[in-house]
Amino acid sequence: DGGITQSPKYLFRKEGQNVTLSCEQNLNHDAMYWYRQDPGQGLRLIYYSQIVNDFQKGDIAEGYSVSREKKESFPLTVTSAQKNPTAFYLCASSIAGQGYEQYFGPGTRLTVT
Amino acid sequence: AQSVTQPDIHITVSEGASLELRCNYSYGATPYLFWYVQSPGQGLQLLLKYFSGDTLVQGIKGFEAEFKRSQSSFNLRKPSVHWSDAAEYFCAVGAYSGAGSYQLTFGKGTKLSVIP
Repeated sequence: DGGITQSPKYLFRKEGQNVTLSCEQNLNHDAMYWYRQDPGQGLRLIYYSQIVNDFQKGDIAEGYSVSREKKESFPLTVTSAQKNPTAFYLCASSIAGQGYEQYFGPGTRLTVT
Repeated sequence: AQSVTQPDIHITVSEGASLELRCNYSYGATPYLFWYVQSPGQGLQLLLKYFSGDTLVQGIKGFEAEFKRSQSSFNLRKPSVHWSDAAEYFCAVGAYSGAGSYQLTFGKGTKLSVIP
């Protein structure tokens, strides 16, 4: 079955540590996205990538970094510069040029203490 | 810039009752509109979408939504709610963001509770 995999489902880190969230898709989609979700805030776009080796900042990119070395993978690193990293992180993908129709992974809950 | 407003943060209905979740959008052109559902700790599942044509669209799980351009609304409805419909619902607008790409802008969500 085609879909998006995010691992792990739960992640715990100490303050001051960088942490990388995994996102893999086998839908053959060119475009991939990272969102952050906080209670009562909806989804906010962190970074997106339309093609391999290219990515753009979203609305809340500060304190985050990404890479896109393979079409199937779009890992997100939450750096120590992110002031409030505890959140639910969702990855999505879409056909190139059809970013209005995105398919979502199951999410990773990151807790930083 | 586009925006989505979901006026109701939390709605409680009895099982078997009808449901309407409100969504208002702001976008300068013809919008692509979506409703997603999210169970606790899970990803988003697409319920239905509107691109063009018939303003009443049918989705999965017995949901439907009506696009009203004059009111900039895209309200979600279900005639008879089931306990399994308890979840959080997000309305989204897909807007052109330049360089041939589109992005989704989400509302803040409406949490639905269902009383047995």
